[in-house]
Amino acid sequence: DVVLTQTPVSLLISLGGQASISCRSSQSLVHSNGNTYLHWYLQKPGQSPQLLIYQVSNRFSGIPDRFSGSGSGTDFTLKISRVEPEDLGVYYCLQRTHNPRTFGGGTKLELK
Amino acid sequence: EVQLVESGGSLVQPGGSLKLSCVASGYTFSNYWMDWVRQTPGKSLEWIGEINTDGSKTNYAPSIKDRFTISRDNAKSTLYLQMSNVKSDDTAIYYCTVGPDYWGQGVMVTVSS
Repeated sequence: DVVLTQTPVSLLISLGGQASISCRSSQSLVHSNGNTYLHWYLQKPGQSPQLLIYQVSNRFSGIPDRFSGSGSGTDFTLKISRVEPEDLGVYYCLQRTHNPRTFGGGTKLELK
Repeated sequence: EVQLVESGGSLVQPGGSLKLSCVASGYTFSNYWMDWVRQTPGKSLEWIGEINTDGSKTNYAPSIKDRFTISRDNAKSTLYLQMSNVKSDDTAIYYCTVGPDYWGQGVMVTVSS
């Protein structure tokens, strides 16, 4: 199975600051069709995960441009600029290139 | 607005069976692959499996293969997860999802004697 390693496990950020989360894969996430199926989610307290970024760098419907994704192959990054209170929660990466699909262990974003 | 509503969660004894349902609305259910994902009490997310649009193809995580079965009824816009021979490790919140895009609110399954 593909292992996704997220770092850091937790992140203390001030309101208005910038956060960066890494997701590293144990193997390339480039599909045979050329696409890379690496997605990012935010799970707010008491809620189900919500899609933020799909296929590395595409913001999902309604997601503000403060969220951006980048990377390729095995190394991926989610950046959150101008952190707001509603950005707090746990961030997960998910790969859907290989079966079984696998998630990263999560990164908890908290206010400093 | 896409809505996914899971139901059927409960307390079940080890070795028992349970069937979860997920009713979808707000989009054309029959056009999309559907998945089941679970979240353990420790908060880890685990993909369970997926089903294609007409229900003819399924893929499962090795950890649950042969114990869980995913099916769908496109006429009822409903996704199912049949769980059998459940174990304590199956205790989790179970979510249905529209591919990677939308998630339901989840339903709790507790396996305990």
